[in-house]
Amino acid sequence: TQLLEQSPQFLSIQEGENLTVYCNSSSVFSSLQWYRQEPGEGPVLLVTVVTGGEVKKLKRLTFQFGDARKDSSLHITAAQPGDTGLYLCAGLTTDSWGKLQFGAGTQVVVTP
Amino acid sequence: NAGVTQTPKFQVLKTGQSMTLQCAQDMNHEYMSWYRQDPGMGLRLIHYSVGAGITDQGEVPNGYNVSRSTTEDFPLRLLSAAPSQTSVYFCASSYVSSGSVHDTQYFGPGTRLTVL
Repeated sequence: TQLLEQSPQFLSIQEGENLTVYCNSSSVFSSLQWYRQEPGEGPVLLVTVVTGGEVKKLKRLTFQFGDARKDSSLHITAAQPGDTGLYLCAGLTTDSWGKLQFGAGTQVVVTP
Repeated sequence: NAGVTQTPKFQVLKTGQSMTLQCAQDMNHEYMSWYRQDPGMGLRLIHYSVGAGITDQGEVPNGYNVSRSTTEDFPLRLLSAAPSQTSVYFCASSYVSSGSVHDTQYFGPGTRLTVL
């Protein structure tokens, strides 16, 4: 079983629509990261959130860390075809320093 | 500055063969790690290292060996390949962060391995 559950597994939307990807766990995380991976490449870090309730914005992407530090969400406003990719959340629990745990990922496809 | 490089990009092995996946980084990062990525499973940590001479097991270490003789290189060895090891393998590196935050991990382009 995955420590981090991501939903949905797959999301297909039209350009200009909004979308939200969720990352949930029963464990408390000291920090959580979001990565985007494109076909044939390694993941690339988008953001790191550390404080419960923290909200970070990266252009049209908004990341939120839950108050209890057990969940996170990624919201994309007015999605563009360039947002297409596999979005992965990864977390570090308080007793697992050095062992980053990844979710299974959400495949996002944005069509023109 | 090449970042993280991995070789080979593709490899086909027969069951029982051995091979070494190479990983090198030129960013002077202390932390290096190996992951495998399978459909629907995300990335799972195999082994990691926080510096030359120091390695530790991750989530799925069985069937894999590592060593870290230099800061730059972190090879992953499969001693006797099995079909269950068919996967895409990623190497990553980062600075060793203090406290509870994992520093930015830089990933290589991956090695696609098929074991027949």
